[in-house]
Amino acid sequence: GEDVEQSLFLSVREGDSSVINCTYTDSSSTYLYWYKQEPGAGLQLLTYIFSNMDMKQDQRLTVLLNKKDKHLSLRIADTQTGDSAIYFCAEEAGGFKTIFGAGTRLFVKA
Amino acid sequence: GAVVSQHPSRVICKSGTSVKIECRSLDFQATTMFWYRQFPKQSLMLMATSNEGSKATYEQGVEKDKFLINHASLTLSTLTVTSAHPEDSSFYICSAIIPDRGTDTQYFGPGTRLTVL
Repeated sequence: GEDVEQSLFLSVREGDSSVINCTYTDSSSTYLYWYKQEPGAGLQLLTYIFSNMDMKQDQRLTVLLNKKDKHLSLRIADTQTGDSAIYFCAEEAGGFKTIFGAGTRLFVKA
Repeated sequence: GAVVSQHPSRVICKSGTSVKIECRSLDFQATTMFWYRQFPKQSLMLMATSNEGSKATYEQGVEKDKFLINHASLTLSTLTVTSAHPEDSSFYICSAIIPDRGTDTQYFGPGTRLTVL
């Protein structure tokens, strides 16, 4: 069935790059998303990528998509303490249906 | 496990009318609930944060007079779409945080599909 998997934790030092990985199963997904959730707050859409793209860059964020391997990654350059949050990968599964991963908790050490 | 319900699951209304959507936490008290909107094949968009006993906090670009949120009790938040227009047709989803389990885990409702004719 449809599934999105991502590692649960990532710890980096301030100033380093963070790479959060995700795998998905639905090869027909048109959109893939990254959301950020800070403590006590709702999900905020960070970025998204169309399935016909390999890469998308938006300031400090770089999304890489390997459609053959169904692998999606989010790279945060020059990670700051304010980037500490939970990052969710999600795939569009048709219509209103979106499948979310369990979230990767990013810890940024000063 | 924690359950969040929404009612109705689907509603069709005429343009100009108002529609109320309920979000209930069934086995826990939720001091904070969130309302999202989703268009077909698109991402979730956070509309507002609903706090029990206080005014909702709306995200930029969301009309607070158009989308009225009331969080009158610890188990119920309502979203009222006032003077609905066809462009308000969408899928509305609520979520809730269980405060004694930390502030990281959100429990999502099943969503309400609104169609405005």
